[in-house]
Amino acid sequence: GAGVSQSPRYKVTKRGQDVALRCDPISGHVSLYWYRQALGQGPEFLTYFNYEAQQDKSGLPNDRFSAERPEGSISTLTIQRTEQRDSAMYRCASSYRGTDSPLHFGNGTRLTVT
Amino acid sequence: GQQVMQIPQYQHVQEGEDFTTYCNSSTTLSNIQWYKQRPGGHPVFLIQLVKSGEVKKQKRLTFQFGEAKKNSSLHITATQTTDVGTYFCAGQEKTTDSWGKLQFGAGTQVVVTP
Repeated sequence: GAGVSQSPRYKVTKRGQDVALRCDPISGHVSLYWYRQALGQGPEFLTYFNYEAQQDKSGLPNDRFSAERPEGSISTLTIQRTEQRDSAMYRCASSYRGTDSPLHFGNGTRLTVT
Repeated sequence: GQQVMQIPQYQHVQEGEDFTTYCNSSTTLSNIQWYKQRPGGHPVFLIQLVKSGEVKKQKRLTFQFGEAKKNSSLHITATQTTDVGTYFCAGQEKTTDSWGKLQFGAGTQVVVTP
């Protein structure tokens, strides 16, 4: 079956622009996670949802970052007024039921802010 | 807050040798998961450990959860070139909410010399 789909695969944007990263989880998966991964590092937790409810956003670096999952399926991570330090791989993962079940990761969105 | 640490950061192994990578949490975990990320790929789930002292095997891989549920290890026997990649542990802090976030370690990058 289809896995977790993220788009775009690559995004190059100029400093100060807003970007929206999309995640389409595996059908039927309740939980959806956003992580950021720098080269040579482990995934860094940003936020997660159960259904449409944002359960924890403690990992969002600042108020320029926001996420939503309005219908409990597709999620969007938005970064406003991008800065060069926002450049990273942004990964979305979904699981059937929280962390009692495996996380399935998408291929990620490579964001480059110039 | 919860921190998950992995050692070593890098592991160079001769093909056919054994090695172990370790994962330590600053807090008691409700469960721990292990993932493997091949170069250029995304993290892929390997296994989940839930019980204190639990040991699970997958062919040449042996996973162990510590008695205090604060540490874990992955032991690989007779390393093969297919074992190349970065191995991450990820732990969920033990709270009343079983649907918490998963914190990843920085990973152990494994390089295999034929």
